Amino acid sequence: AQTVTQSQPEMSVQEAETVTLSCTYDTSESDYYLFWYKQPPSRQMILVIRQEAYKQQNATENRFSVNFQKAAKSFSLKISDSQLGDAAMYFCAVGARNTDKLIFGTGTRLQVFP
Amino acid sequence: EPEVTQTPSHQVTQMGQEVILRCVPISNHLYFYWYRQILGQKVEFLVSFYNNEISEKSEIFDDQFSVERPDGSNFTLKIRSTKLEDSAMYFCASSPDRGRTGELFFGEGSRLTVL
Repeated sequence: AQTVTQSQPEMSVQEAETVTLSCTYDTSESDYYLFWYKQPPSRQMILVIRQEAYKQQNATENRFSVNFQKAAKSFSLKISDSQLGDAAMYFCAVGARNTDKLIFGTGTRLQVFP
Repeated sequence: EPEVTQTPSHQVTQMGQEVILRCVPISNHLYFYWYRQILGQKVEFLVSFYNNEISEKSEIFDDQFSVERPDGSNFTLKIRSTKLEDSAMYFCASSPDRGRTGELFFGEGSRLTVL
């Protein structure tokens, strides 16, 4: 079984500052993938960043980067130079190669203040 | 940019009624999914669909639920006899390859309220 825990229901950050969203997971799979999805208000969930568990190097996409600690089963998302458009619900998710389903956390609502 | 579209955006129904939620996946995608999110809870996998058949389903996806791709463009989720606990946001998603390793493209969701 796989579980994902996001312990921060809400976070806030000042524009241009950096914020880190936490995610821990549990899985018995050896071949798995980790994702952060963003859901702006009344919009679709979109993929922010993806990490293959077998890769040691942390994934980076522009202002978004992850801190992947495999032994600790931790997968945090860092948003640098926060922008107003980053305000959204952020979901952490885990998927395994032998199953179609993604397991999501409960989400973290990020507010960005000017 | 191609998008997954879902209709209706909100449906209110009486308990015991049948409901059909519709989705138009991105046209060249081959894999299709339904997820749901009960208010305040996690987004949960319901079912995946490939090559005109169910690829995988969760324990939530019981006999009350069915999916089909009737015309090569729409992908529907039918709930035969709705219960109060079916009230949730239902998300359709599609992907060009198996979503387990890649990116899922989600629709905006259909909110179902069962009274």
